[in-house]
Amino acid sequence: AQSVTQLDSQVPVFEEAPVELRCNYSSSVSVYLFWYVQYPNQGLQLLLKYLSGSTLVKSINGFEAEFNKSQTSFHLRKPSVHISDTAEYFCAVSDKSFQKLVFGTGTRLLVSP
Amino acid sequence: DTAVSQTPKYLVTQMGNDKSIKCEQNLGHDTMYWYKQDSKKFLKIMFSYNNKELIINETVPNRFSPKSPDKAHLNLHINSLELGDSAVYFCASLPQRGARETQYFGPGTRLLVL
Repeated sequence: AQSVTQLDSQVPVFEEAPVELRCNYSSSVSVYLFWYVQYPNQGLQLLLKYLSGSTLVKSINGFEAEFNKSQTSFHLRKPSVHISDTAEYFCAVSDKSFQKLVFGTGTRLLVSP
Repeated sequence: DTAVSQTPKYLVTQMGNDKSIKCEQNLGHDTMYWYKQDSKKFLKIMFSYNNKELIINETVPNRFSPKSPDKAHLNLHINSLELGDSAVYFCASLPQRGARETQYFGPGTRLLVL
């Protein structure tokens, strides 16, 4: 079985500041890792994924995450946030067979001017 | 073109009623899922079908019954609705089980039980 821990329920940050949203996972098998973003009253959008290969993955809007197997982490970072990044961010893992997604409890990123 | 669609988008109903939520994907995917997001935003898988066969059935009350008439559709029927069923229900699809791929999510159905 897999589990995901997002320790920060809310992260307030000023516009143009850097941010890191933490994600740790637990699994007895190798997994795929994901970050999803949910804007207010909207559905889930895939932000980043690690399936294999390079441990550093990047999105088109400036986010990046690094898979660290030894620390079982997949932290999300952005060097300079915008107001429009305000949203709920979910880290998720899935096994490679049935691929059911197990989600963390989410981190609400609040970007203020 | 909507890849994964859900109907209805919003559903308000009384306790004790029976309701259905429909999901359709036009991606030719083999595997489909239902997830529930509760009022605290916690997301949890409910069911998964692969080529119309149930492959994942998490600890969900018997009042919830998924049905897959074909591999492009996965519907969710809920009997005797309770207040605690109020949530957002997301459908998702995956090209095929075991593939190195990601799930595509629908827009969600917001269910409110009064």
